[in-house]
Amino acid sequence: AAGVIQSPRHLIKEKRETATLKCYPIPRHDTVYWYQQGPGQDPQFLISFYEKMQSDKGSIPDRFSAQQFSDYHSELNMSSLELGDSALYFCASSSTGAGGRNEQFFGPGTRLTVL
Amino acid sequence: AQKITQTQPGMFVQEKEAVTLDCTYDTSDPSYGLFWYKQPSSGEMIFLIYQGSYDQQNATEGRYSLNFQKARKSANLVISASQLGDSAMYFCAMREGGGGGSNYKLTFGKGTLLTVNP
Repeated sequence: AAGVIQSPRHLIKEKRETATLKCYPIPRHDTVYWYQQGPGQDPQFLISFYEKMQSDKGSIPDRFSAQQFSDYHSELNMSSLELGDSALYFCASSSTGAGGRNEQFFGPGTRLTVL
Repeated sequence: AQKITQTQPGMFVQEKEAVTLDCTYDTSDPSYGLFWYKQPSSGEMIFLIYQGSYDQQNATEGRYSLNFQKARKSANLVISASQLGDSAMYFCAMREGGGGGSNYKLTFGKGTLLTVNP
């Protein structure tokens, strides 16, 4: 079965640079979520999209922005990178027609290192 | 207040034995869902089991079962017949609100690191 695809899997950037993370949800899933997991931490919700519209926003810095495109893939754009942005970034997708569970399927994550 | 509490930072279990990982939650929403995820050292988040707040029976998925005690707001994960490959971080997570919608972020606990000894 198709899974959530994230690219790149690893990314190394310098401070103050920008980064773009991509997410391709499972086909026919209509909701995408982004989470940030710092070293030794639990995942923290950043932002979500339903049918290409932003549906919820969590603790996402103003330096970050995200969008979902017409083909349902999503991109997380991060500018003016800081050392503290080093983390594992997960994308997850779900389907509102999933029988009420609204189970989120996670991608493998993008590990961002800021030097 | 913490919405999801996992009080065991680390747990050890012998291979082939059963182990229980604790999770308590806090919500005033009558409709919610509880999830357990496994995160091996490679980093991916693997869904294990789900329990809805209105489910009458405890969820089971193979060697995983969920001991759901609604009045106590606990949703403990039971792993039977532990295997070496079960060594990983385990996260309990909650979705508040009905599952039929589109806007239900997950709130995670701090996790429990399980080590299975041979």
